[in-house]
Amino acid sequence: DVKVTQSSRYLVKRTGEKVFLECVQDMDHENMFWYRQDPGLGLRLIYFSYDVKMKEKGDIPEGYSVSREKKERFSLILESASTNQTSMYLCANSRAGTPTDTQYFGPGTRLTVL
Amino acid sequence: GEDVEQSLFLSVREGDSSVINCTYTDSSSTYLYWYKQEPGAGLQLLTYIFSNMDMKQDQRLTVLLNKKDKHLSLRIADTQTGDSAIYFCAESRLTGGGNKLTFGTGTQLKVEL
Repeated sequence: DVKVTQSSRYLVKRTGEKVFLECVQDMDHENMFWYRQDPGLGLRLIYFSYDVKMKEKGDIPEGYSVSREKKERFSLILESASTNQTSMYLCANSRAGTPTDTQYFGPGTRLTVL
Repeated sequence: GEDVEQSLFLSVREGDSSVINCTYTDSSSTYLYWYKQEPGAGLQLLTYIFSNMDMKQDQRLTVLLNKKDKHLSLRIADTQTGDSAIYFCAESRLTGGGNKLTFGTGTQLKVEL
């Protein structure tokens, strides 16, 4: 059974704190993605990675950075959390190459920044 | 530009058909997808259609694609309470080493008894 785990289901942080969200997959997939989900806006891509140590900006990278030191782990970092980063964060992964390879999603982390 | 739009809410009675609509703008999209998100869970792929197809049927699900109008729809026959969820359409483009998806805003489907 494929598995995508995210480090926390719920997280509460204060403005200005550094926040780490971790995602781990056991599928040996090359591609990993971080999205945020907000009501009425759907999912928006923050960053993605096609290989270890590689990263590319998505549609809304401002205020975020990522790290991919190992194939199975993709971390999202909020250097200095702000209230407008309160959101649901979803991690996904897929095999490299063909569009029919679906993205597998984790259960999400609901982050609240006070 | 990339923009994928859906209506936010749809309410149907159990046993009726549901039709969820989506419009997209990127004519170079190769595949279009429908994902389902149940409460408290991540997204799960329901079905996809290649851009040179008009229709795809998979049990209770029918996907219709009008490429000229850039309109995609998902029809769920005999809708059940277990179909209550948020449904996202997504379009794909191959970039760099992989497949990048642009998601719509999501349609919340509520099935009433």
